[in-house]
Parts: sequence; C-alpha cells; structure tokens
Amino acid sequence: QVQLQESGPGLVKPSETLSLTCTVSGGSVSSGSYYWSWIRQPPGKGLEWIGYIYYSGSTDYNPSLKSRVTISVDPSNNQFSLKLSSVTAADTAVYFCARYYSNSLYYFDYWGQGTLVTVSS
Amino acid sequence: EIMLTQSPGTLSLSPGERATLSCRASQSVSSSYLAWYQQKPGQAPRLLIYGASSRATGIPDRFSGSGSGTDFTLTISRLEPEDFAVYYCHQYVNSQWTFGQGTKVEIK
Repeated sequence: QVQLQESGPGLVKPSETLSLTCTVSGGSVSSGSYYWSWIRQPPGKGLEWIGYIYYSGSTDYNPSLKSRVTISVDPSNNQFSLKLSSVTAADTAVYFCARYYSNSLYYFDYWGQGTLVTVSS
Repeated sequence: EIMLTQSPGTLSLSPGERATLSCRASQSVSSSYLAWYQQKPGQAPRLLIYGASSRATGIPDRFSGSGSGTDFTLTISRLEPEDFAVYYCHQYVNSQWTFGQGTKVEIK
C-alpha cells in the first residue's frame, strides 16, 4: 500500500520561503507512469494544483505560481519537496502531496493527509 | 487554460435521494483525463471516478460517472449518510491540471 506523508513547518513568516517534504512509502518516486504532485487548499476553499515532478526530474507548475515554485525529487530518500518563495497570507492553506497515475488512464490515486501551513508574522 | 465549472454549488438532499452533479469544461477535454473526487472535512480527497465513467477500486456502484467533450456528470443513485461531502471534478490537459470549484452535498 502506497503512503505519502507531508512534513515541514506549520508556520512561515511573510516574504519567507515555505518548504515541505513528502515522504513516499510502499512505492518509489523513481517509478515511471507517476507524476509526484503538490496541491493546496486554502481554508474553506477548493483545491489548487501547484505543480508536479516526474521521475526523470521534469517539472511543470501552475502558471499562477510558477515564478515562486520549485519542486525537486530525492530518490535516495524516496522523497519529493516543495519550495514556495515570497509567501503571503494568501498562501495559507492545507498542502497535500499526491501521486498522479499516468498510463492511458489518469488520476490522483494516493494522497497524503495534508499539512496546514499558516503564513503569519 | 481550461476551466471547470461545477454546478450546483450546494445540493441539499435527503438520504435515499438521487444526486446529480455537473462539471462543465470551458473547452473539450478527453474523457481519459476526467476524474471525480470526494472530500470529507479534515480529510484528503478520495478518488471516485476516473476516465469519466470508471469507478475506482472499492467505490460502491451507487456512484456513476458519465459525459464527454465539455459536459460531465457524477450521479449518486441513492444517497447514504456517508456520501454527504464535497465533490470535485478534475482534468489534465497540456501538462496542466485543473479542479472544479466543488459541489457540496449536504443533508436537507
């Protein structure tokens, strides 16, 4: 059974960089057919895709966040990470990591439980 | 950028009733990339339907998906107490993912 677990600070100051890590168990971030993704959800609002990284290292990001986002992968620790720079209160959200299956059919099949990140001084 | 518009925003129904949720895309999307998720408070979304009409593993057959092109529908044939939740449609086109804004199914 694949499991994903987010970790990182729950409080970040405005203008600083938000950093989260997703640790994957029961599967490998080096496997093909999967896009390792970050999605966020502001309190009481809907889901917003942030970006993904493929096992090859290729990435793509939501255009609205692209200038501030970096997603990287660490195969040796079976983790992938999110960095979001210059955060503001609008970046306060529950951040989910998720695996996107991509092989003739396409869907997010496994999600982390989510971690709340609050941007506040 | 493709937008997904879900309607209604809130659906107030009683257990045992039928729920029909709509997801409309701003341009045609491949059914292969259209999925539906259920989210309960404090939980991560759960995959219900992929490929517009295929149920995910363990999803009861009261959930069904249909549609093509720009119009997709999630139907819950008879609402059970555990089905009251928020439902999101989702699509992937040109390396970009988009979620609808969600439909909340609440107890009437």
